[in-house]
Amino acid sequence: AQKVTQAQTEISVVEKEDVTLDCVYETRDTTYYLFWYKQPPSGELVFLIRRNSFDEQNEISGRYSWNFQKSTSSFNFTITASQVVDSAVYFCALSDISGGSYIPTFGRGTSLIVHP
Amino acid sequence: DVKVTQSSRYLVKRTGEKVFLECVQDMDHENMFWYRQDPGLGLRLIYFSYDVKMKEKGDIPEGYSVSREKKERFSLILESASTNQTSMYLCASSWLLPEGDTQYFGPGTRLTVL
Repeated sequence: AQKVTQAQTEISVVEKEDVTLDCVYETRDTTYYLFWYKQPPSGELVFLIRRNSFDEQNEISGRYSWNFQKSTSSFNFTITASQVVDSAVYFCALSDISGGSYIPTFGRGTSLIVHP
Repeated sequence: DVKVTQSSRYLVKRTGEKVFLECVQDMDHENMFWYRQDPGLGLRLIYFSYDVKMKEKGDIPEGYSVSREKKERFSLILESASTNQTSMYLCASSWLLPEGDTQYFGPGTRLTVL
């Protein structure tokens, strides 16, 4: 069975600090997909990134970067020089073929609060 | 841009009422999903559908039913609302690909059952 653990329930930082959100996953499949979503106070989840299990390259997009390590089953998300607008709940998700279909499993989310 | 819309942002109903939550997507996605989100519990899948008139139970289907008569529309029905169904309800859609795909979410409906 697939499982996603986001151990950090809430993180509080001051603007311009770097912050890393942890995501650890469990799956028996060799082919799977990992996602990060952002949920701002407005409520709508916004897709940030999708990564397949065969691509371990780290990715950088502006102030956002993702570190995928299969050896530790982790897919961590770092925000550099955080801003107040980064305040949101961030969800990590895993999608694999267990159960016969690729239905994502979400972690419980990490609430990031960035203070001015 | 993919657009997923939900019929209401906020809804207040009374215990025992029948409640309909509507979701419409404009990207011709095969898959549609209903989740509920509660503090500390993350997103929990209620039902999903991979085609018109097809539905599959998710993790917490009890007390809910769904309807998908048209590809773009997926309805969540609470036959007899109860106070423990007070929650945020999120609809999502995605392509039906063997490897799975990105989900696109609606803005959510915050339902309060009194």
